[in-house]
Amino acid sequence: DTEVTQTPKHLVMGMTNKKSLKCEQHMGHRAMYWYKQKAKKPPELMFVYSYEKLSINESVPSRFSPECPNSSLLNLHLHALQPEDSALYLCASSQVDRSYEQYFGPGTRLTVT
Amino acid sequence: EDKVVQSPLSLVVHEGDTVTLNCSYEVTNFRSLLWYKQEKKAPTFLFMLTSSGIEKKSGRLSSILDKKELSSILNITATQTGDSAIYLCAMIKTSYDKVIFGPGTSLSVIP
Repeated sequence: DTEVTQTPKHLVMGMTNKKSLKCEQHMGHRAMYWYKQKAKKPPELMFVYSYEKLSINESVPSRFSPECPNSSLLNLHLHALQPEDSALYLCASSQVDRSYEQYFGPGTRLTVT
Repeated sequence: EDKVVQSPLSLVVHEGDTVTLNCSYEVTNFRSLLWYKQEKKAPTFLFMLTSSGIEKKSGRLSSILDKKELSSILNITATQTGDSAIYLCAMIKTSYDKVIFGPGTSLSVIP
């Protein structure tokens, strides 16, 4: 199984809502990543988890809160987002020592109204 | 500041053509250069290049790194419509495992 799944595929939320994005993989990867991708732009790294611990936070605003409850799951909790946070949110995973070979999920298309 | 630059940013070719996509980088503590293909949504890994002058090949795709020139090319021969995608060049540093993507080249292959 070389698949990374993400739910939901699409999400529309208001600026006062609280929602969560979910990511799951069963490849035994112990590194997991959240990226944000705006239209016609490359993915930008947000967070990296290694062995279920947060190892990189790319100065992401606190309205984005990641969580890695176990080695297969990665969540991104959203609260009080702004319209400019609308983007495609990509999850990826890799072996810890093969971070160059990341497997990406299909993404969640988020629209903040 | 670390930077990855790609050219051209977009390209339209006919099926059967050969294309060359360019990537250049400026980075401290360079470890490897990566190529990804992004169709519709999720990027998929193509190549990792660490050593200069050694060509990596996968079917009709090949890539090579020139560390002296701080650049890489991705060649696609006998292009097919299924090659239409955004090709992302990225680099990874030695200091920590962060992948930094370039802006991508949008390739359209028309019949």
